[in-house]
Amino acid sequence: DSGVTQTPKHLITATGQRVTLRCSPRSGDLSVYWYQQSLDQGLQFLIHYYNGEERAKGNILERFSAQQFPDLHSELNLSSLELGDSALYFCASSVADRTPYEQYFGPGTRLTVT
Amino acid sequence: EDQVTQSPEALRLQEGESSSLNCSYTVSGLRGLFWYRQDPGKGPEFLFTLYSAGEEKEKERLKATLTKKESFLHITAPKPEDSATYLCAVQARSNYQLIWGAGTKLIIKP
Repeated sequence: DSGVTQTPKHLITATGQRVTLRCSPRSGDLSVYWYQQSLDQGLQFLIHYYNGEERAKGNILERFSAQQFPDLHSELNLSSLELGDSALYFCASSVADRTPYEQYFGPGTRLTVT
Repeated sequence: EDQVTQSPEALRLQEGESSSLNCSYTVSGLRGLFWYRQDPGKGPEFLFTLYSAGEEKEKERLKATLTKKESFLHITAPKPEDSATYLCAVQARSNYQLIWGAGTKLIIKP
């Protein structure tokens, strides 16, 4: 158990809908990262927050957005969902933002868009 | 351009047959190299961090080594439970975000 929690574990929804994925980082970690992993694909970095502030964006679509709240939990919002958005979405946390500290991953949310 | 390449894509071994996985990187200054293990449908599990050439780290049957151009994950006398995808990631001085390799899928047959 990494100490990172994600809810829900599974989500099935229809095209065009909007969903919110939630992540709670490990106690003491200030950074939260979001990744997307499609079937048999590598990890695609989406976005990074540190202590409530956006630090970096990766391959994140305009239909996707995220935020980190004062209690450090984070939410990833996915809107106007398409079939191709079906994937595993992982949240990871780390102590710092720029120094090379390891990231600890949550169990993921499996999103299925039908 | 910063890049990480893992090889082979897949590796099938008999139980007890030792081997190595490779992670080659091209980055403008290495800040750290990370190894993770990922089981199907699960989140990656952190294994090692290496910071400089010549560094080695061990954990049970796994040993990670680092040179200026690549890292190896050596697995000694593997067991079926070592079957997983092993991911390598690099943090470069030019970009604080991790650059991920595509992974090596390791299958250990009893």
